[in-house]
Amino acid sequence: ILNVEQSPQSLHVQEGDSTNFTCSFPSSNFYALHWYRWETAKSPEALFVMTLNGDEKKKGRISATLNTKEGYSYLYIKGSQPEDSATYLCALSSGGSNYKLTFGKGTLLTVNP
Amino acid sequence: DVKVTQSSRYLVKRTGEKVFLECVQDMDHENMFWYRQDPGLGLRLIYFSYDVKMKEKGDIPEGYSVSREKKERFSLILESASTNQTSMYLCASSLFQYGYTFGSGTRLTVV
Repeated sequence: ILNVEQSPQSLHVQEGDSTNFTCSFPSSNFYALHWYRWETAKSPEALFVMTLNGDEKKKGRISATLNTKEGYSYLYIKGSQPEDSATYLCALSSGGSNYKLTFGKGTLLTVNP
Repeated sequence: DVKVTQSSRYLVKRTGEKVFLECVQDMDHENMFWYRQDPGLGLRLIYFSYDVKMKEKGDIPEGYSVSREKKERFSLILESASTNQTSMYLCASSLFQYGYTFGSGTRLTVV
C-alpha cells in the first residue's frame, strides 16, 4: 500500500491570510499527483493533476507545485476566503492500466471571517 | 454536466442485512471505484473495476463484493452488514489518467 502523507491535519486561518499545505509521497514509480477540494455535503472536486517534476499549476487564488525527485507537492492559497473552507486531498497515481488513486488523509482548512 | 450518481444519500440498515449501494455514471468512463471515508483514516479503496464484468480488490475488500454488469453501473454489496461498516461511501469514475469524478456519497449507518 502506498503511503501518502498530508500535513498539517487541520488548520485555522483568518480571512485574507495566505496558507499552504504539504503532500509527501514515495518518489519511486510516480505517475501523477492529484489535488482535490472536498466541501462539506458536496462531492470532492478536482483541482489539479500534475505529472512532471517542477510542474506548477494555478487556478484563481490556488496554486500547486510538484517535486517528484524528493516526493512532495505544495498547495498554496493566497488571500484565503471563508468559501475556501474545505478538506484538501492529495492523491497519488502510480500508473498501470487502472489508474487507481491512493489518497492522503487530507488537510481540513477553516477560514474564519 | 457530467455526473456520477449514487442512489442514496443516507441509509440506515440492520446488522446482518444484505445492502446494495448503487452508482451510475453518464460519461462512458472505463474505470469505476468504491471508497469509504472514515474520520482520521481518509479515503480507502474497497474495490475497483476497469471494464464491464472486471473487478479488482482494493486495500480493504473484506466484507464487500461488487458487480459491474453494464459499463455505466457499479454496485457495492455488503453481504451481511456489520456495525464496523458504518461509514461514508464514495463512488468515482475516471477515464484513463484524467482523475476522478466523484458521486456525492452515501452515508451508511448499520445498527
